[in-house]
Amino acid sequence: SQQGEEDPQALSIQEGENATMNCSYKTSINNLQWYRQNSGRGLVHLILIRSNEREKHSGRLRVTLDTSKKSSSLLITASRAADTASYFCATEDRMDSSYKLIFGSGTRLLVRP
Amino acid sequence: DTGVSQDPRHKITKRGQNVTFRCDPISEHNRLYWYRQTLGQGPEFLTYFQNEAQLEKSRLLSDRFSAERPKGSFSTLEIQRTEQGDSAMYLCASSFRDYGVYEQYFGPGTRLTVT
Repeated sequence: SQQGEEDPQALSIQEGENATMNCSYKTSINNLQWYRQNSGRGLVHLILIRSNEREKHSGRLRVTLDTSKKSSSLLITASRAADTASYFCATEDRMDSSYKLIFGSGTRLLVRP
Repeated sequence: DTGVSQDPRHKITKRGQNVTFRCDPISEHNRLYWYRQTLGQGPEFLTYFQNEAQLEKSRLLSDRFSAERPKGSFSTLEIQRTEQGDSAMYLCASSFRDYGVYEQYFGPGTRLTVT
C-alpha cells in the first residue's frame, strides 16, 4: 500500500520557474528519499534526508522535512525542460528491518520551454 | 560498474503463460528488492533478499509469483499462469546497507503486458 499522498498530482510550469511538490507519510521514519522517473523508465535517486535533518540541498534541489507533521517538500529551482518527469517520495519505516521503501503516488511535473 | 540491469526490458505474453525476469544488481550490493508499479502509481514492494536469503514477501506476491537469488548475485522473478492484472512495470533495486549507505539504486524495469 502507498505510504501517503503527494501534492499536487500534476504540476505545469514555465521554464525558469520554481517547482514545489509536497509529500505526506504515515509512520515514524528513518529517512525520506526523493526519486525522479522519466516516462516509462526506472527511478533515479535524487536526495535523501534523515529523520534528524530538517533541510538539505543538492544543486537546484532543496528538500525539507517536518517529522511533527509527517511531511516533506521538494523544491526545484530554475526549472528546465529536462526536469519534466514524475517525482516520488519514499520512506523507510523506522520499525522495519527490511528497509524497504514505501512510495507516494507521485507528482507529474511538466516544464514548458 | 554499470548499475542495476534488468532483462528483458519489455515482455508481452498471453494470459496463462509463465514469464521470468532477471535482475543483475550492482556488484557487492547485499540487498536486492523487487517492486511493482502500475500506471500512474508509485512502486509497491514485492519482496527482498539479503544475500541469497529471501527475508520478506508482500501480500501482493501471490503463490503464482516466485523469486530467487542464487549465490546472492542476480535474481529472478517468475510469474506462473499470468493474468491481465499482472500487467505492470517490475522494478529491481539493490543497496549495500552497511556503513550507513541507504540509497536503493533502481534498474530500468521490465514492462510486462499480459494480453
